[in-house]
Amino acid sequence: QVQLQQWGARLLKPSETLSLTCTVYGGSFSGYSWSWIRQPPGKGLEWIGEISHSGTTRYNPSLKSRLTISADTSKSHFSLNLNSVTAADTAVYYCARVTPLLWFGELVGSWFDPWGQGSLVIVSS
Amino acid sequence: DIQMTQSPSSLSASVGDRVTITCRASQSINRYLNWYQHKPGRTPKLLIYTASTLQSGVPSRFSGSGSGTDFTLTISSLQPDDFTTYYCQQSHSAPWTFGQGTRVEIK
Repeated sequence: QVQLQQWGARLLKPSETLSLTCTVYGGSFSGYSWSWIRQPPGKGLEWIGEISHSGTTRYNPSLKSRLTISADTSKSHFSLNLNSVTAADTAVYYCARVTPLLWFGELVGSWFDPWGQGSLVIVSS
Repeated sequence: DIQMTQSPSSLSASVGDRVTITCRASQSINRYLNWYQHKPGRTPKLLIYTASTLQSGVPSRFSGSGSGTDFTLTISSLQPDDFTTYYCQQSHSAPWTFGQGTRVEIK
């Protein structure tokens, strides 16, 4: 059973860089894309970005200028770096696998499953 | 970006009730629609993918329907464990987007 475990700094000051890493256990890293998603306090879920097994990245345009997602396939982990954080970046951050559904080689759906346990990141001076 | 709008934002219901949550996309997303259950302090749980396919292990009281822009999540008989928040999410076009959530509360 695939499990995602995440860690990283939890308390940051404004202008610092948020760094989180998510390690994949019990399953293949290759062949999937891997995403980061966050939930600010009292708000809904926001997709941050993702990286494919081949290293192709896709970012949410709202965060793209501050965001880098990278992966180390040899270690089955992927990382999030978000620079110049502000209080608005305070949130629970989740990593998740993007599971694709293929029909005769055509992508006909995808979803986030499984998810990491979540990391509460607080940005405060 | 594709905007996802859920309704209602919250609802009150009793154990045994039939509950329906609606999700509307700002443009057609075919059947690229997923539903998640999210309990406070827990990891979101996938319930339904591609609009109507029940994820393995999810109770059959959950069902999904719809295509294009309008989708529904139905809980046929609400159980105590179901009182929490539900989100829809489109996987048609990046950036992937979620609805704002629907909180199901005990009446």
